Amino acid sequence: GDSVTQMEGPVTLSEEAFLTINCTYTATGYPSLFWYVQYPGEGLQLLLKATKADDKGSNKGFEATYRKETTSFHLEKGSVQVSDSAVYFCALISITGKLIFGQGTTLQVKP
Amino acid sequence: NAGVTQTPKFRILKIGQSMTLQCTQDMNHNYMYWYRQDPGMGLKLIYYSVGAGITDKGEVPNGYNVSRSTTEDFPLRLELAAPSQTSVYFCASSSPRRPGMNTEAFFGQGTRLTVV
Repeated sequence: GDSVTQMEGPVTLSEEAFLTINCTYTATGYPSLFWYVQYPGEGLQLLLKATKADDKGSNKGFEATYRKETTSFHLEKGSVQVSDSAVYFCALISITGKLIFGQGTTLQVKP
Repeated sequence: NAGVTQTPKFRILKIGQSMTLQCTQDMNHNYMYWYRQDPGMGLKLIYYSVGAGITDKGEVPNGYNVSRSTTEDFPLRLELAAPSQTSVYFCASSSPRRPGMNTEAFFGQGTRLTVV
């Protein structure tokens, strides 16, 4: 069945470091891909999305490109801030409408 | 501009009690979902619905029931609460995949349930 796999955390970085969180997926056809962020004690917020191959989603300095050939949607940011500390979830909506999440990656940014 | 609304926000249940978690959305979304999130863990899909009258099981449906009599509402029922159901429950909704349509899912703020 459809699934999403993220790199395991936690990821600990110093402020202004480069961030990559890997995400790969297994799905039939062309799912829509998403990154959600969850700050401590809060619900999930959409960070960015891509709905077809080679689309690049971007928001708040974060970027991810929909790579059909490698079935990947890696999240990147050039310079992280302490305020980026949160849990990041990669997700897909399958062609049948099921919304599936990866296990989440905790990011901790130290000053 | 309410989006997805969940009630209650917090609840403590005794073992064996039953309750219904309410979820309603005002965006006319066909798809709705229920997830649970255990401490420090990801989201596990309990049930989902692709439209009124249609529901399907997710990864962890045991101990739960759902119904979808209207587009707006998707309640989650716990019949015999167990300590293993202590978790945070999130409801979400999205629109069907069509070219050019927004397919992102919108989430409620969650219901924190403790079973003692």
